[in-house]
Amino acid sequence: GAGVSQTPSNKVTEKGKYVELRCDPISGHTALYWYRQSLGQGPEFLIYFQGTGAADDSGLPNDRFFAVRPEGSVSTLKIQRTERGDSAVYLCASRREVTGELFFGEGSRLTVL
Amino acid sequence: QKEVEQDPGPLSVPEGAIVSLNCTYSNSAFQYFMWYRQYSRKGPELLMYTYSSGNKEDGRFTAQVDKSSKYISLFIRDSQPSDSATYLCAIKKGSTLGRLYFGRGTQLTVWP
Repeated sequence: GAGVSQTPSNKVTEKGKYVELRCDPISGHTALYWYRQSLGQGPEFLIYFQGTGAADDSGLPNDRFFAVRPEGSVSTLKIQRTERGDSAVYLCASRREVTGELFFGEGSRLTVL
Repeated sequence: QKEVEQDPGPLSVPEGAIVSLNCTYSNSAFQYFMWYRQYSRKGPELLMYTYSSGNKEDGRFTAQVDKSSKYISLFIRDSQPSDSATYLCAIKKGSTLGRLYFGRGTQLTVWP
């Protein structure tokens, strides 16, 4: 596609439920990043992939969060046993190899009731 | 203490004004400096990118980096209502694949 696509754009769930957020990067971009943005804050790094492998997952807040990218393209961020504090916009970005520029999607807005 | 600090504003200016946005950072290991613009309910988009001290100009936008003071700035000349957005500074260490550290963003409104 022309840009980074994220689905769903909005997700409302109840505390304790499981959530999956999907990111479809720009075709050909091998590096993919997940960030989380809380209201009034800048994006906070979660994890990035180079190809299929997680090159740096040090930003994942705890073991309820997990991300995969099995074929080196689409990535899924998985959140188990959601908590109200997980409410935020989850942003995905893919990286243009030549310039290193990150292209962000519009985000998935997660609300945990 | 966060790696990069940014005054959240909000900042409200009339059309045509010069806008100055600033960030400070604490670790001299940071080598790459960026400014992103984020419209409401959209993802951030890259405005300016620099890796050296000094000024970099692109149209109405000028990015300034002072590594000795660990201070970065974005100037917007002849500001327009379409510039109304949140401006995020971001910094990165040496690796081109590394994570970005973002400031919390400054919300700017340019009124006609």
